[in-house]
Amino acid sequence: KAGVTQTPRYLIKTRGQQVTLSCSPISGHRSVSWYQQTPGQGLQFLFEYFSETQRNKGNFPGRFSGRQFSNSRSEMNVSTLELGDSALYLCASSWGQWGEKLFFGSGTQLSVL
Amino acid sequence: DAKTTQPPSMDCAEGRAANLPCNHSTISGNEYVYWYRQIHSQGPQYIIHGLKNNETNEMASLIITEDRKSSTLILPHATLRDTAVYYCIDAGYNNNDMRFGAGTRLTVKP
Repeated sequence: KAGVTQTPRYLIKTRGQQVTLSCSPISGHRSVSWYQQTPGQGLQFLFEYFSETQRNKGNFPGRFSGRQFSNSRSEMNVSTLELGDSALYLCASSWGQWGEKLFFGSGTQLSVL
Repeated sequence: DAKTTQPPSMDCAEGRAANLPCNHSTISGNEYVYWYRQIHSQGPQYIIHGLKNNETNEMASLIITEDRKSSTLILPHATLRDTAVYYCIDAGYNNNDMRFGAGTRLTVKP
């Protein structure tokens, strides 16, 4: 069974640009969550999508957005990139039910220059 | 913000048991205790979770106190490959909204 797949693995952008990251969940999983990880702030929750609807949202500015498609694949977008957006972006998938575990991908390492 | 408290670092000798503590001072009745670990540059890996009772799987054991305010993750025979950052989290219905703290950096030494 394939795990959670994130593409691309590495990405370099410049300030002011926008970026789109992709996440393919484990087959059958309907929930996809996104996290940002930086050395200073650690792992922070961005948002979660379940059956194409945003179900929960963390404390990030509106420049961070996401969506989920009918096949449960998800994308997140960051507009008007800032230097501080440099981070490892992780997605996790699950069936979306109470009391279950998350499966994380290996992440996309974004560097903003 | 994270709701759990963990020591920032611990060492363990290879082959010995590693006992990682966690305080869940604000845990509520319907929240599970989860443990994940992260090896450098990889995504977090699920280890174990529980609600009230102690749990054991092929990776570890989880001990939860009766008042559920603290838990201990036990790796019975630590190996060098268990060197990682270990996170404990309590999460309820929105368990996909995991609030990770700084975790405990476990170093297993030969």
